Amino acid sequence: DGGITQSPKYLFRKEGQNVTLSCEQNLNHDAMYWYRQDPGQGLRLIYYSQIVNDFQKGDIAEGYSVSREKKESFPLTVTSAQKNPTAFYLCASSIGTSGIYEQFFGPGTRLTVL
Amino acid sequence: QKEVEQDPGPLSVPEGAIVSLNCTYSNSAFQYFMWYRQYSRKGPELLMYTYSSGNKEDGRFTAQVDKSSKYISLFIRDSQPSDSATYLCAMTETGRRALTFGSGTRLQVQP
Repeated sequence: DGGITQSPKYLFRKEGQNVTLSCEQNLNHDAMYWYRQDPGQGLRLIYYSQIVNDFQKGDIAEGYSVSREKKESFPLTVTSAQKNPTAFYLCASSIGTSGIYEQFFGPGTRLTVL
Repeated sequence: QKEVEQDPGPLSVPEGAIVSLNCTYSNSAFQYFMWYRQYSRKGPELLMYTYSSGNKEDGRFTAQVDKSSKYISLFIRDSQPSDSATYLCAMTETGRRALTFGSGTRLQVQP
């Protein structure tokens, strides 16, 4: 079955630690996205990538970093510089950014900072 | 002021009711409008996508866009308990590489 997988489902982090969230897709999509979702707020874009080895900052990139070494994979690192990292993180993909209107989402990773 | 406004609810209706969900927006350049459904603790799934003004129907779901009023709606006919979820509107403009999401409306359909 084609789809997007994210791991882990739940992640706990101590203050001052970096953590990396995994996102893998087997849909053969070129574009991939990372969003953050907080209670009472819509999804906010952190980073997006249109092709391998290229990525762009979204609206709230500070304190996050990404890489895109393979088409299938777009990991997100939450660094210690992110002041309020507790949130639900969603990865998405689309055929290309021209297909941005049809984004497919993964199941999400819930990150809690202790 | 947020670019996209959406009433958070919760909206509680009896099974079989017609549900109306709405979003307003301020950016007149938005041309592409989407509705996503998100079950608790899951990722959103695309329900419908429309371009510019007009209506689009898919089974029990109808999406309407009124660009003159900067107002979009999603109607659900014969609502079912399985429709209980959060509904997110999203929109964008040509050439923009990101979607702007509403905060979501939580819908509860009572059996």
